[in-house]
Amino acid sequence: SQELEQSPQSLIVQEGKNLTINCTSSKTLYGLYWYKQKYGEGLIFLMMLQKGGEEKSHEKITAKLDEKKQQSSLHITASQPSHAGIYLCGADKRETSYDKVIFGPGTSLSVIP
Amino acid sequence: NAGVMQNPRHLVRRRGQEARLRCSPMKGHSHVYWYRQLPEEGLKFMVYLQKENIIDESGMPKERFSAEFPKEGPSILRIQQVVRGDSAAYFCASSPLSKTNYGYTFGSGTRLTVV
Repeated sequence: SQELEQSPQSLIVQEGKNLTINCTSSKTLYGLYWYKQKYGEGLIFLMMLQKGGEEKSHEKITAKLDEKKQQSSLHITASQPSHAGIYLCGADKRETSYDKVIFGPGTSLSVIP
Repeated sequence: NAGVMQNPRHLVRRRGQEARLRCSPMKGHSHVYWYRQLPEEGLKFMVYLQKENIIDESGMPKERFSAEFPKEGPSILRIQQVVRGDSAAYFCASSPLSKTNYGYTFGSGTRLTVV
């Protein structure tokens, strides 16, 4: 079965610094989701990538799906305390006729003012 | 336009009691997913339901757990005879179609504590 790994497991950065979170799949990714979870709250959808080489941005967050479609990176520029939380990547299990997202273990981000 | 509503937000149960978690999907959404997030673990798929039908329950524990999504009313995740290991955050998500290009909309979760 498909598994997702995320690195790093946790990250502490100074406000204003850039950072990158990686998500690696054991199988080809057909749909890759990025969600953010604030501590103790639900998940907020950030973006979805489908095509190899695709890159999307939302405010200061940019995500890219590599050409081979087995890895995605999430990049935050000039981090702010509001970016703190857990970032989860999720993969769409293509073999089902319905959305079934399998999530990675998450990357915990802390931003120090 | 309310999002996915889950209640209660926090639930405390003694071992052996029953826990009922409710999820009202977004208006117009007829597809509901339940996920569980155990402490120090990732988000795990439990079950996918459409109105009155369980489509995929491959992530549900074989015993004590059940889910329903009736024609009227919210989806219910029911845990009978809870044990300490059931303590977790349970998230519900909904979508308008079985297949979308924009993922689910998640609720804020129910945090179950078994004492």
